[in-house]
Amino acid sequence: ELKVEQNPLFLSMQEGKNYTIYCNYSTTSDRLYWYRQDPGKSLESLFVLLSNGAVKQEGRLMASLDTKARLSTLHITAAVHDLSATYFCAVDSRGTYKYIFGTGTRLKVLA
Amino acid sequence: NAGVTQTPKFQVLKTGQSMTLQCAQDMNHEYMSWYRQDPGMGLRLIHYSVGAGITDQGEVPNGYNVSRSTTEDFPLRLLSAAPSQTSVYFCASSSGAGSVKTQYFGPGTRLLVL
Repeated sequence: ELKVEQNPLFLSMQEGKNYTIYCNYSTTSDRLYWYRQDPGKSLESLFVLLSNGAVKQEGRLMASLDTKARLSTLHITAAVHDLSATYFCAVDSRGTYKYIFGTGTRLKVLA
Repeated sequence: NAGVTQTPKFQVLKTGQSMTLQCAQDMNHEYMSWYRQDPGMGLRLIHYSVGAGITDQGEVPNGYNVSRSTTEDFPLRLLSAAPSQTSVYFCASSSGAGSVKTQYFGPGTRLLVL
């Protein structure tokens, strides 16, 4: 059974600081997705990581994937208040269309 | 393109009532899915479909039925609503082609079962 774990579940950080969100998954998968959700809103795609060693960057967010360790990280550089949201990682089981989401990391950036 | 649309946005049901949550997409996506989102539990897959006429169960399928008669529509039916089904429901779709299968989410339906 595919399981996806994120940590931390909640993160409060000061503007300008750096931090990393971790996403571990339990079985083989070649694709890992990161999504953002603002309060009361739907989910928006941030990154798709397709292979071992893949790194994607958009603004102050950078995501990476280590398929051997079954680990993805979402690194936040010099956080700003606009990054406050809940971030989810998701994995699809190899050969299926079953996407399994992590529990999410609620990020709050304090001014 | 409207993307993924869901109706209604909000619904209140009494225990035992039935209803259908509607989901439609205009991107000609093969894959569609339904999730429920509960506080502290992330999104859990209810049912999914890889094309018209093909559906399968996700992590939490009990109490829900789906069908996929067209590529565009993927309704979710609650046969006899229970308070445990109070949640926010999201529909999503993605292309089945290629290796990038990013899902596009609808705005969600907030359901309260009394």
